[in-house]
Amino acid sequence: EAQVTQNPRYLITVTGKKLTVTCSQNMNHEYMSWYRQDPGLGLRQIYYSMNVEVTDKGDVPEGYKVSRKEKRNFPLILESPSPNQTSLYFCASTITGARVSEQYFGPGTRLTVT
Amino acid sequence: AQTVTQSQPEMSVQEAETVTLSCTYDTSESDYYLFWYKQPPSRQMILVIRQEAYKQQNATENRFSVNFQKAAKSFSLKISDSQLGDAAMYFCAYRSENTDKLIFGTGTRLQVFP
Repeated sequence: EAQVTQNPRYLITVTGKKLTVTCSQNMNHEYMSWYRQDPGLGLRQIYYSMNVEVTDKGDVPEGYKVSRKEKRNFPLILESPSPNQTSLYFCASTITGARVSEQYFGPGTRLTVT
Repeated sequence: AQTVTQSQPEMSVQEAETVTLSCTYDTSESDYYLFWYKQPPSRQMILVIRQEAYKQQNATENRFSVNFQKAAKSFSLKISDSQLGDAAMYFCAYRSENTDKLIFGTGTRLQVFP
């Protein structure tokens, strides 16, 4: 089954404690991205990756890091989480260059930083 | 920069009735793609319908259809014969032709009453 998986689904942590949210897709997609969803703001892109070892900032990259060492994986790293990073996070992937390709979303990760 | 506006934070509809969700966008591009995503309480992002800007014909998917007005930069979603399972948050999204990044509106929460 074609899918994007994220782990963990729920995470409660404290300010400053480094964490990683994993994302993996089994569709051989080149493009992967991370979004955060906040009430009244919709989804906003944090980082994206066009392919292995190619990553770039989205609209709200402050406080986040990513890496793309393998095509299927695109982890999101919060080196020193702060309460304003409490949010719902989505990983998504798609084929690059297709005209109206569908983006596949993971199930979401609810992060709370206290 | 492109923006997407959903001016209705909440809407409600009676079961079996028809409801229209509004979306406007701002862009200087001539070729782009528009999407409606549904997010039920499970938080999963589900693609409902997509429209290519170069196509004049409005997209339709079963009970879901759009009214795409390119000159007015409007992309509304019509849900016919509303069902209880249609209750969800709906997001309008824009994608440029030369990128895979999605730009989302702030969402409309749809309630369906029996």
